[in-house]
Order: sequence, then structure tokens, then C-alpha cells
Amino acid sequence: EAAVTQSPRNKVAVTGGKVTLSCNQTNNHNNMYWYRQDTGHGLRLIHYSYGAGSTEKGDIPDGYKASRPSQENFSLILELATPSQTSVYFCASGGSSYEQYFGPGTRLTVL
Amino acid sequence: QQNVQQSPESLIVPEGARTSLNCTFSDSASQYFWWYRQHSGKAPKALMSIFSNGEKEEGRFTIHLNKASLHFSLHIRDSQPSDSALYLCAVDNNRIFFGDGTQLVVKP
Repeated sequence: EAAVTQSPRNKVAVTGGKVTLSCNQTNNHNNMYWYRQDTGHGLRLIHYSYGAGSTEKGDIPDGYKASRPSQENFSLILELATPSQTSVYFCASGGSSYEQYFGPGTRLTVL
Repeated sequence: QQNVQQSPESLIVPEGARTSLNCTFSDSASQYFWWYRQHSGKAPKALMSIFSNGEKEEGRFTIHLNKASLHFSLHIRDSQPSDSALYLCAVDNNRIFFGDGTQLVVKP
């Protein structure tokens, strides 16, 4: 079974602080994705990557940066966290003719 | 930019009913069509996919795809309370676009 892990699982941050969310996949997938999901809503794509060293902007990239240092790892960085970024963040790998495998999610609260 | 729309937004059905969920898309060149299911508090998980016009059945679930009408759907036969979840359709052309989801509740 394909595996995607995320850390931390829960995070409380202060407004203006820096937050880094990490994602690791053991599927050897080229494509990786970061989404946010607000309560009762669908997934919104923040950034994605086609492979190590590449990052692409999704639909809501403002206030977020991404980093893909290796095939396995994909990070989401909030340089100056704001309360509006309080949400659940999902990382995924795969896509196109292959299903996307999602990590368990990170619940981020910005106070 | 692909536009993916789902209907209805929410649905309550009795146990044993046949349920139909709909998804429309805007790019006729789209190739890969997926349904994902997300139980409350959990991550989304792929349910079914279809890559060519027609119908595909897996157990109680059936997908229909009509590229000419820019529409695909998911049908659930004999709906069960365990089917209660958020259903997300997705269209993937080397960049995936998700719909906003249909919240399904199956009442025992």
C-alpha cells in the first residue's frame, strides 16, 4: 500500500510566525501536492511538484511557499502565518492515470 | 482553467436507496476522471476512476462518463450508512482539479 506521511499532525502557531509542514512519500511518485481543506468544503490546491527541484503554483498560492528537495519530500512553508491560514492541510502523491494517495492531514491553528 | 462543478451540494437518502452524484467539467480534452470519498475526520481516498466514455461498475458503485456532454456521475446501489461521506469528483490532465464535493448522508 502506498504511503504518505505528514508532520506535525497538529500545530498551533502565532500570527507572524514561520510554519513548516513536512510530507514524505515512499511511493516513488513524481507528482506531489499540497491542499488545504476548510470545514465542510472541498480541497483547494496550494502548490504542486512534478519532481525534485520543481514547484508549481496551484489555485491559492499567496502566503505559501513550497520546497521539493528530493523525490520523497515536499514541504509547505508559511513565512508569516495569519489566522486566515487556520485549516487542515493535506499532502498527496500520484495523480493523472494513477490515484492520488493522501497523507493523514495536519491541523494548523494560527492564533 | 478547468472548471469542475458538483451537484447536489448535499444529499440525504434512506438506507437501501439508489444515489446519484453528478460532476461537470469544462475542458473537453480531459483524460482522467476520478471519484474520491472522504469520511469525516479522515483523508480522501480514491473510490473509482474512468478514462473512456461509457460505464464502469465495481460492486455497488457505477461511474458513467459522457465526454461530449462534459459530464460524469457516480451511482450507488443499495446505499448503506457506511457510505455517508463527502464525495469529491476530480478531473486530471497532468494537473488535477477537484469539485467542491457532495455531502452524502444515508439514514438507517
